[in-house]
Amino acid sequence: GQQVMQIPQYQHVQEGEDFTTYCNSSTTLSNIQWYKQRPGGHPVFLIQLVKSGEVKKQKRLTFQFGEAKKNSSLHITATQTTDVGTYFCAGPGSARQLTFGSGTQLTVLP
Amino acid sequence: DAGVIQSPRHEVTEMGQEVTLRCKPISGHNSLFWYRQTMMRGLELLIYFNNNVPIDDSGMPEDRFSAKMPNASFSTLKIQPSEPRDSAVYFCASSLFGGGAGEQYFGPGTRLTVT
Repeated sequence: GQQVMQIPQYQHVQEGEDFTTYCNSSTTLSNIQWYKQRPGGHPVFLIQLVKSGEVKKQKRLTFQFGEAKKNSSLHITATQTTDVGTYFCAGPGSARQLTFGSGTQLTVLP
Repeated sequence: DAGVIQSPRHEVTEMGQEVTLRCKPISGHNSLFWYRQTMMRGLELLIYFNNNVPIDDSGMPEDRFSAKMPNASFSTLKIQPSEPRDSAVYFCASSLFGGGAGEQYFGPGTRLTVT
């Protein structure tokens, strides 16, 4: 079945440094979604990418969808302590449900 | 908008007991999802309903788990009998669109501890 792999699993950065997490799918995706889960919280939708090569920005966050629609990345510029949490990518799987990646847990050191 | 509502928020029970988790999706959403999250296995889809009909229950671990959606505004996930390895956070999510087409809104989760 379809698999969504995410790296790295953990990332510690100093506040102000940049951060990137990568997502790779074994199959072509019709779309990819990104979610953020704060410690002790629930996943919250961030964005959905649909088009090949699409780039979207939300303030300090930049999301990219690969040309082949099999990979995606999330880049955070100048991290802040409020960015702490686990970032998940998710893509449609068989039976049209979402398959979530394993997530990247971001720690921001003040 | 109250968002997705789950109850209880925390549940502690003894092995062998029946556990029922409840979910009220966002009004107007036609898809509902039950997930389980653990450190070891991450976020796993257990079952997915579209228009109150179970579409994919391949993620349900075993016969001890069952889920129902009697109407568009209510769903339950039942575990009987519960076992310590069922300890996890269980999330319910709803979506306006079916499957992976649209964003999912997650509830706050139920933290289940089975001793």
